Amino acid sequence: AQRVTQPEKLLSVFKGAPVELKCNYSYSGSPELFWYVQYSRQRLQLLLRHISRESIKGFTADLNKGETSFHLKKPFAQEEDSAMYYCALSPGNNFNKFYFGSGTKLNVKP
Amino acid sequence: DVKVTQSSRYLVKRTGEKVFLECVQDMDHENMFWYRQDPGLGLRLIYFSYDVKMKEKGDIPEGYSVSREKKERFSLILESASTNQTSMYLCASTPTGSGEQYFGPGTRLTVT
Repeated sequence: AQRVTQPEKLLSVFKGAPVELKCNYSYSGSPELFWYVQYSRQRLQLLLRHISRESIKGFTADLNKGETSFHLKKPFAQEEDSAMYYCALSPGNNFNKFYFGSGTKLNVKP
Repeated sequence: DVKVTQSSRYLVKRTGEKVFLECVQDMDHENMFWYRQDPGLGLRLIYFSYDVKMKEKGDIPEGYSVSREKKERFSLILESASTNQTSMYLCASTPTGSGEQYFGPGTRLTVT
C-alpha cells in the first residue's frame, strides 16, 4: 500500500518565487514525518522533521493530520535549492522502519 | 563527522552472479537499512536490521538477503543477480530513537 505520495515528479519555479512540494500520507496512528533532500552528486540527507518544528534553509513543513499532508514550503526559492526532495514516514518512535515517497525534483530557474 | 561507507560506487555484474554489497558505519548505530533507489519510484526498503544478527524484510526483499554479523557492518546479497536488479543501492543507519537516517554514497549496480 502506498504510504507516502508525492504527486509531482518535477517542479520548476523561478528564483524568488514561492515553492510548495506536496506530500500526502496514509497511515493510521501517529507517524513521524520527514523531508530528505539530495543535492546533485551528494548523499541523501535529512532536511527537516515535523516534531522539531524548525525552519531549515528557509524551508518549513506543517503536519496536517486532518488532510494527512506534510507539504514543504519556502517563500522565496533560491537556485541552490534545486535538488531532489523526498518525503518520508516512520510508523513509530522506534524509527526502525521508514517509507519514502517517489520524490520531487525541484528546479529553480535564474 | 558521521560516516556511512559503501564498498563500491559502481559495480557491473553478469546475470546469475552472486553479488555482495557492503556497508559500514562508524557511529555505533543500532539500526541499518538497505534501499534501492529508482527514478519515479523513490526509495524502497529492501531489508533492515535493528541489531546484530537481527533482520526484517522491507517492502521488496525478493531476490535479496542480508547479513549483519557485526554492529557496524550490514551486507546486502543478491543470490543470483538479474537485470531487473540494476539500480542504485543506498545504505543507511540510525540510532534507536532517532529519526535521522545517515546515508552512504550509494552503489550503482548494473546487471548485464
